[in-house]
Amino acid sequence: DGGITQSPKYLFRKEGQNVTLSCEQNLNHDAMYWYRQDPGQGLRLIYYSQIVNDFQKGDIAEGYSVSREKKESFPLTVTSAQKNPTAFYLCASSIASGGGSQPQHFGDGTRLSIL
Amino acid sequence: DAKTTQPPSMDCAEGRAANLPCNHSTISGNEYVYWYRQIHSQGPQYIIHGLKNNETNEMASLIITEDRKSSTLILPHATLRDTAVYYCIVRIRSSNQAGTALIFGKGTTLSVSS
Repeated sequence: DGGITQSPKYLFRKEGQNVTLSCEQNLNHDAMYWYRQDPGQGLRLIYYSQIVNDFQKGDIAEGYSVSREKKESFPLTVTSAQKNPTAFYLCASSIASGGGSQPQHFGDGTRLSIL
Repeated sequence: DAKTTQPPSMDCAEGRAANLPCNHSTISGNEYVYWYRQIHSQGPQYIIHGLKNNETNEMASLIITEDRKSSTLILPHATLRDTAVYYCIVRIRSSNQAGTALIFGKGTTLSVSS
């Protein structure tokens, strides 16, 4: 079955550590996204990528970094510069055809907590 | 993107139709209406979207008023597994879809009970 796989489901980080969240999709989608969700809040865009080797900052990119070396993969690194990293992180993907209305499809998320 | 207004919560009996309203009075002509739902601790699940015509798929129906200022998501036979937060989102149609984030509000918490 096609879909988006995020791993791990739960992740714990010590203060000052960088951690990388994995996102893999086998939907052959061009575009991929990272969102952050805080309790009782909506989603906020961190980074997005339309094609391989290209990505753009979203609304809250500070303290995060990404790479897009393969179409299927869009890992997110939460760096020690992110002062409040505890949150639910969601990866999404979509077809990026021009003039379309393609919906984004989401993975099941990674919950990051600080020890 | 236009804003949406949804009731914070709704209840529905199992087996009955759940009708979830959404107001989007400032929607413009090139904005689509999308519906997603999120079950606790899972990622949002795409349900359906439309521009001006009513739409139906295996999950739900979407009824958009003629003036496009409001819409209703209909789950025809709600089950306990339909208990979730439902989000109505309007999103501009653009050639650069990838650069347009989805703006999730607080949604409607639908509780289905037996």
